[in-house]
Amino acid sequence: AQSVSQHNHHVILSEAASLELGCNYSYGGTVNLFWYVQYPGQHLQLLLKYFSGDPLVKGIKGFEAEFIKSKFSFNLRKPSVQWSDTAEYFCAVTSNQAGTALIFGKGTTLSVSS
Amino acid sequence: DAMVIQNPRYQVTQFGKPVTLSCSQTLNHNVMYWYQQKSSQAPKLLFHYYDKDFNNEADTPDNFQSRRPNTSFCFLDIRSPGLGDAAMYLCATSRVGQPGDEQFFGPGTRLTVL
Repeated sequence: AQSVSQHNHHVILSEAASLELGCNYSYGGTVNLFWYVQYPGQHLQLLLKYFSGDPLVKGIKGFEAEFIKSKFSFNLRKPSVQWSDTAEYFCAVTSNQAGTALIFGKGTTLSVSS
Repeated sequence: DAMVIQNPRYQVTQFGKPVTLSCSQTLNHNVMYWYQQKSSQAPKLLFHYYDKDFNNEADTPDNFQSRRPNTSFCFLDIRSPGLGDAAMYLCATSRVGQPGDEQFFGPGTRLTVL
């Protein structure tokens, strides 16, 4: 069955700490991979995506993610977090066929203290 | 700005009383999705429209229906809401043929069932 697993439910960091959120997926075939962020009271926004090419993907606000096909992983990283990064982070996968559903992980809540 | 709009943002209904949630988009995307997101859980796809073609997920209850009268609008009808249907309902759109097939989300409608 298709699934996405996020390793951490809740991560608490101090400002300037480095961040890595784990994501593993189980999905047959060619995939597109996404990280979405949901700030408190706001809608889901795309942080970054991978669909082909360089497996190291850079997104908005200094985030990056690395697709490791052999490990079925797509971990999210940021070298130095800010208080404004406090949010819910969702990893998601879909096939590269048109109009298919996003399969989301359960999400990781990131709390950054100043 | 092109966007996905959901109305209302908050909806309160009584147990068993039909309710309709609305989504509109100015992106001219040909795919529209409805997701259900319960508290502390990942968004889960209910169904989607690929142009006029309706695609229901296998485990979506019959209580949930959808209509798409034109490209811009899509409605979610809950025929007889139960307490378990209280959730955030997210509308999303995507454009087939766009690399990575990113989905754009609306702000959601939070449904409360009394």
